[in-house]
Amino acid sequence: NAGVTQTPKFRILKIGQSMTLQCTQDMNHNYMYWYRQDPGMGLKLIYYSVGAGITDKGEVPNGYNVSRSTTEDFPLRLELAAPSQTSVYFCAGGQGDTIYFGEGSWLTVV
Amino acid sequence: GENVEQHPSTLSVQEGDSAVIKCTYSDSASNYFPWYKQELGKRPQLIIDIRSNVGEKKDQRIAVTLNKTAKHFSLHITETQPEDSAVYFCGASGGSYIPTFGRGTSLIVHP
Repeated sequence: NAGVTQTPKFRILKIGQSMTLQCTQDMNHNYMYWYRQDPGMGLKLIYYSVGAGITDKGEVPNGYNVSRSTTEDFPLRLELAAPSQTSVYFCAGGQGDTIYFGEGSWLTVV
Repeated sequence: GENVEQHPSTLSVQEGDSAVIKCTYSDSASNYFPWYKQELGKRPQLIIDIRSNVGEKKDQRIAVTLNKTAKHFSLHITETQPEDSAVYFCGASGGSYIPTFGRGTSLIVHP
């Protein structure tokens, strides 16, 4: 099993552009999450999903959208990118308490 | 919601010394406390966890202790090695399976 896979790994985006970070998992996790990580700020929850068709906001959802049409996929959409969205994004999946992270996506907005 | 505080933000030790990282949480309903290690440029990886019905758990050189009354838990690393250098995150979650993480501790082990 590959676990949780994210693409792209690196991306430079211009202010106002939109993009989608892809996340897929092959562990049959019901729960999936998107976190962002900024230096010294830890991992902040953006959105999460408890199953296909169900999504909910986390701590820092503004400027992002998600969908969960299948158990495997949980894409994160950035609309009208802003410099404040420069960060490292981690998708994660879990079936209970323990969650497993993807390798991360480094996004720079210029 | 849950709030997790983690200290210190940076910890520098000599190889062979012990390292202790402390976390406090606010929600008494939290019952699961994971610790993740993140090497530079890598993903966070689970190294040890503890549930609220256990006071201490060990795995070779690492151990975690939990004080439910005081709402704090700690990670202990003995006989530190340079490869222990990384950022460590503590987390807390309850029945919702939505963990909240501390801000992280950068551990530097000097050879």
